[in-house]
Amino acid sequence: GAGVSQSPRYKVAKRGQDVALRCDPISGHVSLFWYQQALGQGPEFLTYFQNEAQLDKSGLPSDRFFAERPEGSVSTLKIQRTQQEDSAVYLCATQRLNTGELFFGEGSRLTVL
Amino acid sequence: QKEVEQDPGPLSVPEGAIVSLNCTYSNSAFQYFMWYRQYSRKGPELLMYTYSSGNKEDGRFTAQVDKSSKYISLFIRDSQPSDSATYLCAMRRGGSEKLVFGKGTKLTVNP
Repeated sequence: GAGVSQSPRYKVAKRGQDVALRCDPISGHVSLFWYQQALGQGPEFLTYFQNEAQLDKSGLPSDRFFAERPEGSVSTLKIQRTQQEDSAVYLCATQRLNTGELFFGEGSRLTVL
Repeated sequence: QKEVEQDPGPLSVPEGAIVSLNCTYSNSAFQYFMWYRQYSRKGPELLMYTYSSGNKEDGRFTAQVDKSSKYISLFIRDSQPSDSATYLCAMRRGGSEKLVFGKGTKLTVNP
């Protein structure tokens, strides 16, 4: 596709459920980022991949959060035992190598009840 | 205190007005400065990208960086209703890929 594609766009989970959020990057973009955007806030960095290597996971808020990109393309952000404070929009972005410009997907909006 | 501070607004202006948006920051290691526009229920899109201090102009948009004051600005001339969105400043250190965002300023341009 032409842009970064994220699915599902909306997810409602009961507290304690596990969720998986998927990101399909722009073809050829080697760097992939996950950000969390709470209501009324700016995005906050979660983690960063270059190809399949996870180079920085310093922003993951707890060990319930796990991200992978096994073949250097599609990435999945998994949240185990979801809590109400996990409710947010999860944004995936990929980076054009020569300019460093980030291209964001539309996000996956997670609501934990 | 957050590393990047941005007044969330909301800001409401008439069509044709000049809009001034700004952010302050505390980390002097920031070298790359960006402005993103985010429409409701969409992802942010890059508007302006500047390195270090100075001005950059692109059409109706001008970005300014003053590293000595740790202050960045975005000016929008001849604002249009289609400019109604949330504007996010973002910055990063040299050698780091991690962007630090402001809270965003919600702008409404009234026809």
